[in-house]
Amino acid sequence: EAGVVQSPRYKIIEKKQPVAFWCNPISGHNTLYWYRQNLGQGPELLIRYENEEAVDDSQLPKDRFSAERLKGVDSTLKIQPAELGDSAVYLCASSLGQRDEQFFGPGTRLTVL
Amino acid sequence: GENVEQHPSTLSVQEGVSAVIKCTYSDSASNYFPWYKQELGKGPQLIIDIRSNVGEKKDQRIAVTLNKTAKHFSLHITETQPEDSAVYFCAASSSGGGADGLTFGKGTHLIIQP
Repeated sequence: EAGVVQSPRYKIIEKKQPVAFWCNPISGHNTLYWYRQNLGQGPELLIRYENEEAVDDSQLPKDRFSAERLKGVDSTLKIQPAELGDSAVYLCASSLGQRDEQFFGPGTRLTVL
Repeated sequence: GENVEQHPSTLSVQEGVSAVIKCTYSDSASNYFPWYKQELGKGPQLIIDIRSNVGEKKDQRIAVTLNKTAKHFSLHITETQPEDSAVYFCAASSSGGGADGLTFGKGTHLIIQP
């Protein structure tokens, strides 16, 4: 069974440019999470989806970050415009339900110059 | 919100020796405590978890203990092997792992010396 798929794996952009990350969760998983992991730190939750509904986005910087999960499957996380401090690894995870084990993808490493 | 502290930040042990990583949490409502292993360039992978109605759980060379009164939990790896080298994260959640997401510690870089 395929795990959580993320693309791209690496992205280098200049500040003020937009960037988007894509996540395909494990088939049948209703819950999807986006985390940000700064260098030398643990992941921090940005947003959680139950099917297509964002049920927890309190940690998402809404002035520049946006996310969507159309049809309750794939999800996209966007940053516009990117800032130097956005450099991090963006991890997507999914689980069958909100009380089940979370499976993480390999992440997208973003570098903002 | 929840705050998870993890120690040590780096742990170097000889192959075959046991390794112990400790975490404390702040929210007494937390009831789910997973441990993740993260290798370079990969996402975190669950290696063991424990819920608040259990004090200890073991899976082959890996064990986790939980002290709810003291609000701390520990990961024990026995007979360490080179492939155990990685960054280990503890985490806590008050909703069985989902509703509030997971709050992670800052990680422990475990180095197994041959």
